Amino acid sequence: ETGVTQTPRHLVMGMTNKKSLKCEQHLGHNAMYWYKQSAKKPLELMFVYSLEERVENNSVPSRFSPECPNSSHLFLHLHTLQPEDSALYLCASSPTSSGRNTGELFFGEGSRLTVL
Amino acid sequence: AQSVTQPDIHITVSEGASLELRCNYSYGATPYLFWYVQSPGQGLQLLLKYFSGDTLVQGIKGFEAEFKRSQSSFNLRKPSVHWSDAAEYFCAVGRPDSNYQLIWGAGTKLIIKP
Repeated sequence: ETGVTQTPRHLVMGMTNKKSLKCEQHLGHNAMYWYKQSAKKPLELMFVYSLEERVENNSVPSRFSPECPNSSHLFLHLHTLQPEDSALYLCASSPTSSGRNTGELFFGEGSRLTVL
Repeated sequence: AQSVTQPDIHITVSEGASLELRCNYSYGATPYLFWYVQSPGQGLQLLLKYFSGDTLVQGIKGFEAEFKRSQSSFNLRKPSVHWSDAAEYFCAVGRPDSNYQLIWGAGTKLIIKP
């Protein structure tokens, strides 16, 4: 396999459920990202991991909990979500370089989350 | 404040016609600039990028973009669109105060008429 793979592609959960989204990249990149994509809004960066260390956390509610066990895998643990959390959750990876952000992101196909 | 504006929410063009998607940014220094494309049900794919040098950059799928510093613009063009180009297009700018954050436009949805 190549690229960035996300599972599941679709997830429906109740507000009291606990679920997880998984992302795996086979590109040898050192940085991994979670983005939230809602209709008619710009992409929202949620979390960034570089070399398995969290480097960005954009004021995301604690009901979203990321985990990066190694440079190839990234999880987003979901707990007691709200209906407004329904969105497409995109995972991305990028090659790291010293200095400025190169912005070259490689995205997975996303996990479509519906919270009932 | 830094921002990226894509003034057109939707654009409809006929197959075979030329295309220009607009992107304007507000930024204090020379930015890194990007165009990404998202086909229905897919993640985003990088079309092209500008870091420095020649202000006309070529990308994949026959797209090009031109950086115009005086207009703070980075418009995306294609001379002849194909039905497979129907997608949503996002412009983004690299932020100087973060190694990882991009400023994203809200996207332009391209509709192709047969």
